Amino acid sequence: GQNIDQPTEMTATEGAIVQINCTYQTSGFNGLFWYQQHAGEAPTFLSYNVLDGLEEKGRFSSFLSRSKGYSYLLLKELQMKDSASYLCAPMDSNYQLIWGAGTKLIIKP
Amino acid sequence: DSGVTQTPKHLITATGQRVTLRCSPRSGDLSVYWYQQSLDQGLQFLIQYYNGEERAKGNILERFSAQQFPDLHSELNLSSLELGDSALYFCASSVTVAPYEQYFGPGTRLTVT
Repeated sequence: GQNIDQPTEMTATEGAIVQINCTYQTSGFNGLFWYQQHAGEAPTFLSYNVLDGLEEKGRFSSFLSRSKGYSYLLLKELQMKDSASYLCAPMDSNYQLIWGAGTKLIIKP
Repeated sequence: DSGVTQTPKHLITATGQRVTLRCSPRSGDLSVYWYQQSLDQGLQFLIQYYNGEERAKGNILERFSAQQFPDLHSELNLSSLELGDSALYFCASSVTVAPYEQYFGPGTRLTVT
């Protein structure tokens, strides 16, 4: 079957760095997305990885290892506004997104 | 602002009733997706339409149905509503049949009492 595994909740301090891990099993693979979702709001696109390696975009970076079925989202210089849920979503062979339950990130001053 | 619009923003109705949620995709986007998100739960994919045709189906109940019209707007119909249908319903759109650059609307919050 298809499965996504992310930590349910993480806590970090303002100004620090946090890494949110995601492991997945899908029927085929056509890349992996990370979305940010603030409570009660719509998800917004953060990153897309289809090849192995690290993609950097400002304070956010995303890493993918296809052979290990593993990805992580790295957030640097954490700000209070980064408190949100982070959703890992690989795309299967039918180009369907498989959504994880998300990781709720709490930033403390 | 993603460019995807959803109406209404909030909807309160009673069990057993029927409601219709509306979504207008971003200009030029041919795919529309519907998602359900219950309180503190993950996104549940319901259904996708591409250029008027049903393209993929997720965990959509038989009491729910959707369609995409020639002008590409979409409607999600929920009938025989139950308390457990209370949730945020999101619509998203993308240019292609695959969900690259998928943009989400602000959602419709449905409360069934």
